[in-house]
Amino acid sequence: NAGVTQTPKFQVLKTGQSMTLQCAQDMNHNSMYWYRQDPGMGLRLIYYSASEGTTDKGEVPNGYNVSRLNKREFSLRLESAAPSQTSVYFCASSERDRGRRGYTFGSGTRLTVV
Amino acid sequence: RKEVEQDPGPFNVPEGATVAFNCTYSNSASQSFFWYRQDCRKEPKLLMSVYSSGNEDGRFTAQLNRASQYISLLIRDSKLSDSATYLCVVNIEGSSYKLIFGSGTRLLVRP
Repeated sequence: NAGVTQTPKFQVLKTGQSMTLQCAQDMNHNSMYWYRQDPGMGLRLIYYSASEGTTDKGEVPNGYNVSRLNKREFSLRLESAAPSQTSVYFCASSERDRGRRGYTFGSGTRLTVV
Repeated sequence: RKEVEQDPGPFNVPEGATVAFNCTYSNSASQSFFWYRQDCRKEPKLLMSVYSSGNEDGRFTAQLNRASQYISLLIRDSKLSDSATYLCVVNIEGSSYKLIFGSGTRLLVRP
């Protein structure tokens, strides 16, 4: 089925470890996004890529880096994980319409940093 | 002040009830509006867009009041399957494709 695929679904890291969250979409969308969701808070934008070859910081970019590998793939890297990065991470994509038709989300990655 | 504010609930209603949620947004440059639904431990899914004239999709009706900067969602004849968290979402013109999410309103529909 067409959609947004995220891997892994679950991950436990030790403080200071690094990892990359993968995201791929097969809907030929131009724009892709990484959000984190914490209890009692809305989804907060970490980074986004309006189109292939461009990336920009969102609301909470510190401690993260991203790569728009091609039109389909947008990865999120934690260079040195901290307990404050324990969260659920969602990747999303949209057409080049400034999100006016909404986003399609992946199923999320539940990350725990101990 | 949060850009998008919602009452977290929970709203606990019996099956068949009508329930309404409101959401306020702070940026008058907001251009596009949505309601998303999020089930427990799942990803958000687009429920409906909200248009200036108001719009309806089956049992769901969305309204927009630009003057007062609020959005509403009305659910008629609630079903058990409507139990979820409803996220109010806005897109701010000139914000480069970004959607701003509210924290959500939790709905529990009981038998």
